[in-house]
This record gives sequence, C-alpha cells and structure tokens, in this order.
Amino acid sequence: QKEVEQNSGPLSVPEGAIASLNCTYSDRGSQSFFWYRQYSGKSPELIMFIYSNGDKEDGRFTAQLNKASQYVSLLIRDSQPSDSATYLCAVNGNNFNKFYFGSGTKLNVKP
Amino acid sequence: DTEVTQTPKHLVMGMTNKKSLKCEQHMGHRAMYWYKQKAKKPPELMFVYSYEKLSINESVPSRFSPECPNSSLLNLHLHALQPEDSALYLCASSHGITDTQYFGPGTRLTVL
Repeated sequence: QKEVEQNSGPLSVPEGAIASLNCTYSDRGSQSFFWYRQYSGKSPELIMFIYSNGDKEDGRFTAQLNKASQYVSLLIRDSQPSDSATYLCAVNGNNFNKFYFGSGTKLNVKP
Repeated sequence: DTEVTQTPKHLVMGMTNKKSLKCEQHMGHRAMYWYKQKAKKPPELMFVYSYEKLSINESVPSRFSPECPNSSLLNLHLHALQPEDSALYLCASSHGITDTQYFGPGTRLTVL
C-alpha cells in the first residue's frame, strides 16, 4: 500500500466549475498535509497546508481534512484554464520525518 | 521571501564527467532536501540534511554525493552517472524537518 494515494486523472472540468481533488493516506499518525501545484517542466509550488480537521480556505482554494477517514481534499472554485496542472498531495509522516508525495492528479480546465 | 535558488538550470554531462548541482536559501531554514523527479512521476526523496547533518539517505547510489557546507547551501556532487539518471533534480528547504517545504526551480540533468 502506498503511503499517499491520488487518482492520476486527468480530471477535466469546464471553466468556472468547482474542481475537487482527493487524496488518501495510510499513516494514521500523520500530522501535516500539503497540496502542491506543478506545471509541466516546473518545480512544485505550495498551494495550501492543513493540520487540523475541517476546512481551510484561501481565496479560491479550500483544503479539507478528515483524519478519521484519512483523506484530504482540495477544492478549487471558479476554475480557470491557468489552474490546469498536476496537483500533488503530500503528507508528513508521524514518527519520522518523511515527506510522502502522492503520484499527482492532472487537472485540465477547459475554456 | 520564500526563494530557493538552484544552479545550473540545465546540465548535460557524459557518463565520465564530474559535476555539481548547487542550491541556496536565505530563509534561515535548517532542513534542506534533494529530490529526483522523472517525467510524469512525483518527486522522490534522495537526501535530507537537518542542521547541516545528513539525516536521511534513501539508499541512493554512491555516484550521487550530497554536501552541506553551511546552513544556507546544499550541493549534490555527480560522478559516473548513467543515462537513466537523467531527470529534474529539485532542492527544497523548510524551517524544521516536519514543516512546509519550499522548492527551488530545479536543475534539468541530461546524461549522455
């Protein structure tokens, strides 16, 4: 079982719609959860991080964490073509300090 | 300022060459990382330095040799690489080893 799992996609949504990206993790003791956006050929760029159960909003982005179910999601409201990228979920392990990346979900926002 | 810089941006080397990748941050971060990323794959952790000491070495071949001269600098020395080592090499840093990591722009390495 992989430490962090994501649907590879591609996920296609029309411009202006809500894009929903999901991630599950295996280490129940994980404390920190991150979403990175990566454009083709570029390095990962931090979008959001979340530590506590519930929702965290930042502009058009909302991260949701449910530790009981071991999943974390990212909602992108009013999706724009410029949001088209691969979104990487990352989780910081509990006892050790390992930073596990999911395989990423490719998002396509169609004009 | 959340900038991590890496040089060079691109590197082409032969299998007998010796080269080094460099990474620098001035955010006062005490943890620095090297990742390797192949096309359409997530970054794979190679090395982690915490307070200038190597704390993780993910069984990376010895042809990759990390060095942390001080808290702001991280090098990756390359020797006798193979074509399959061609990839994007990413440096990242964080305040502590459990904190948010910020990535540099990467070095695109091609081994001929």
